[in-house]
Amino acid sequence: AQKITQTQPGMFVQEKEAVTLDCTYDTSDQSYGLFWYKQPSSGEMIFLIYQGSYDEQNATEGRYSLNFQKARKSANLVISASQLGDSAMYFCAMRVLGNQGGKLIFGQGTELSVKP
Amino acid sequence: DGGITQSPKYLFRKEGQNVTLSCEQNLNHDAMYWYRQDPGQGLRLIYYSQIVNDFQKGDIAEGYSVSREKKESFPLTVTSAQKNPTAFYLCASSPEKEGPGQPQHFGDGTRLSIL
Repeated sequence: AQKITQTQPGMFVQEKEAVTLDCTYDTSDQSYGLFWYKQPSSGEMIFLIYQGSYDEQNATEGRYSLNFQKARKSANLVISASQLGDSAMYFCAMRVLGNQGGKLIFGQGTELSVKP
Repeated sequence: DGGITQSPKYLFRKEGQNVTLSCEQNLNHDAMYWYRQDPGQGLRLIYYSQIVNDFQKGDIAEGYSVSREKKESFPLTVTSAQKNPTAFYLCASSPEKEGPGQPQHFGDGTRLSIL
């Protein structure tokens, strides 16, 4: 079965510090993509970063980086230099080639709170 | 600016009533999706469409219906058969039909409540 697991319902981080949000995934497919989305309290889903299963380098996008460990099936999001505006829900998601039109499979999410 | 527009932002449904949620995109994307989000949960797929005049059921399609008469539009109808419709509904689109590499772009969502 294909599944995403986020084991941290809530996280706190001090402003300007780095934080890691955990994500593990389960799939027997060789070709898949891993995504992180941010959902502020207003509800929209904002795409942050993508990692392909065949990518050898960890993805980075500004203050976001994805720590991809394929053998462990983990795809943790690292946010450096946290800002107050980073407070939101964060979802890890997976997309598998040929699976229901390329639907995204989401984890339960992690609520991040940045403290001043 | 290109994007996905969902309307209305808030919607209330009476018992026995069907309601339709609108989703329009001007990104020229082929694939469109409807997801449902319950409080404290991730998103679950209701329906998806990869081309005009074709759509497929997702994981929780019961009580919902869709149409795809135009590439830009993918409306979702919540029927009276959906006994627990209160949720946040998100529409998404993607340029690739099934490839894993492209992110899905989301609208701002519609919050549906029952009266």
